[in-house]
Amino acid sequence: EDQVTQSPEALRLQEGESSSLNCSYTVSGLRGLFWYRQDPGKGPEFLFTLYSAGEEKEKERLKATLTKKESFLHITAPKPEDSATYLCAVQSRAGTALIFGKGTTLSVSS
Amino acid sequence: EAGVTQFPSHSVIEKGQTVTLRCDPISGHDNLYWYRRVMGKEIKFLLHFVKESKQDESGMPNNRFLAERTGGTYSTLKVQPAELEDSGVYFCASSLATSGRAGRTDTQYFGPGTRLTVL
Repeated sequence: EDQVTQSPEALRLQEGESSSLNCSYTVSGLRGLFWYRQDPGKGPEFLFTLYSAGEEKEKERLKATLTKKESFLHITAPKPEDSATYLCAVQSRAGTALIFGKGTTLSVSS
Repeated sequence: EAGVTQFPSHSVIEKGQTVTLRCDPISGHDNLYWYRRVMGKEIKFLLHFVKESKQDESGMPNNRFLAERTGGTYSTLKVQPAELEDSGVYFCASSLATSGRAGRTDTQYFGPGTRLTVL
């Protein structure tokens, strides 16, 4: 069964304190791994798609990496505006549905 | 470019009533998806339209849920009759195509969701 597990569930950081979020997955043939950001009361906002092990993508203070079993979202020198829930999802080659993890809620204080 | 829109943003109904949720995808997107998040759990897939056809409805929980996409534009999701366990946030997403270059996939863009509360 395709499955996504994210850790930690919640993470509190001081402004400027870098850290990483983890997304472990099992999928029968990976088509893509997706990272989304979700603010309270809003829908998921697309960040990155990764397709194969070794791939990396960056956007401002965020960097996503992918191995055959997990993905990391590295946050460098976070700011309070980075506070949100970060969602990881996978899509298998067998279908088009996204399979989501429960998310990591990040709080960055100044 | 306008994003995915959903209506209403909130709906509170009593058990046994009927509710219809609407989703307008990004213009030109042939693919439309419905997802749901119940409290404390992850977002889960309900179904996928390609234009007006149901491509995959494996995530629909039961026959109280009916999704339509007449004319391949907006979609509705009707719950009839609603039960307590139907409460949650219903998200709609759209994408341009299901596959672009070999092995690649188009991004699914999400709407703001409809929060459904069944009392």
